[in-house]
Amino acid sequence: ETGVTQSPTHLIKTRGQQVTLRCSSQSGHNTVSWYQQALGQGPQFIFQYYREEENGRGNFPPRFSGLQFPNYSSELNVNALELDDSALYLCASRYKENTEAFFGQGTRLTVV
Amino acid sequence: EDQVTQSPEALRLQEGESSSLNCSYTVSGLRGLFWYRQDPGKGPEFLFTLYSAGEEKEKERLKATLTKKESFLHITAPKPEDSATYLCAVAIYGQNFVFGPGTRLSVLP
Repeated sequence: ETGVTQSPTHLIKTRGQQVTLRCSSQSGHNTVSWYQQALGQGPQFIFQYYREEENGRGNFPPRFSGLQFPNYSSELNVNALELDDSALYLCASRYKENTEAFFGQGTRLTVV
Repeated sequence: EDQVTQSPEALRLQEGESSSLNCSYTVSGLRGLFWYRQDPGKGPEFLFTLYSAGEEKEKERLKATLTKKESFLHITAPKPEDSATYLCAVAIYGQNFVFGPGTRLSVLP
């Protein structure tokens, strides 16, 4: 059984650019969530996908968008990058609501 | 507003010195409380799920308990390898996880 994998592990972008982060969910999990974790803080919920549809969103602007594919892998897209977008981006998958979520190792995004 | 707080913010223990971490929550419609361990620069690692007040879970030197307003993570005779940030999160009806800020634990040899 493979766990949650994310790519890339590190990324440096310039303010105003766009970025795409990728996530492969754990086998058998059809729900994927994305979180942003600033240094020294707990993860903040961005949005969740269930069977290719967004079914929950946190307090993030529309320039944060995503996709989920038929194999349940997912992408997080961020447009018009700002310096404050620098953070660790975490993907998590689970097989059922209100059960434990399993996290990937994260993508460290630095915006300069 | 749904809120999760954790205390202390940081904790330094000597190897073998037992202690407890606290997670307090004010949420409407708790659907589960989760404890995670996070090492620097890595994703959170799942530890426990608690669903009902009075429930307890144990794993090696860790024991998690739940009341109606808070959860404790008890660490018995910790070792240096237990050093990490411990996060608690609550699952709320219709939403995803709300995380606390974490407790940074350092266990000195």
